[in-house]
Amino acid sequence: NAGVMQNPRHLVRRRGQEARLRCSPMKGHSHVYWYRQLPEEGLKFMVYLQKENIIDESGMPKERFSAEFPKEGPSILRIQQVVRGDSAAYFCASSPDHFTEAFFGQGTRLTVV
Amino acid sequence: ELKVEQNPLFLSMQEGKNYTIYCNYSTTSDRLYWYRQDPGKSLESLFVLLSNGAVKQEGRLMASLDTKARLSTLHITAAVHDLSATYFCAAPDSSNTGKLIFGQGTTLQVKP
Repeated sequence: NAGVMQNPRHLVRRRGQEARLRCSPMKGHSHVYWYRQLPEEGLKFMVYLQKENIIDESGMPKERFSAEFPKEGPSILRIQQVVRGDSAAYFCASSPDHFTEAFFGQGTRLTVV
Repeated sequence: ELKVEQNPLFLSMQEGKNYTIYCNYSTTSDRLYWYRQDPGKSLESLFVLLSNGAVKQEGRLMASLDTKARLSTLHITAAVHDLSATYFCAAPDSSNTGKLIFGQGTTLQVKP
């Protein structure tokens, strides 16, 4: 049973480009959480999704950021028109339900140049 | 709104010494997590504390939870260099969605 898989592991984008970060949850997990970690800081919650539904997006910036978790395929975190301040590590975590401990992926480190 | 605070934020210690990292949280929570993160790596789950008075130990690390004081501690016994990492505590917020609120992290540096 593979763990939570994120790709790419490292992503470099120029300002103004789009970044797409993918997260494949563990087998049997239908709950996905995205967190952002700025340099030298803790993780901050961004969004919580179940299959085809966004349950809580209270941590998502109002503009340029979106997330989805389709019926088939990985969860996608999309950042449009990236800016330098978007440079961070983005982690996703998955769980079978909302009260069981979630497992974290390896993260995607986004660098905006 | 749940807030989680750790102290100290940075800890430099000699091998063989003992020390404690503190994690305070502002509102009631029924569980508390401790994670380890090495530079450039993901989070490794260390402990899940589920009830008041819970104590768990793994090697040189021991974690405890006092829900009445809203305090968890991570105690390091006879530190070794391999324990150098950043340690985070986290608690689920009251929304009952499973989302976690993390502390700022404590960077531990163990010197030989």
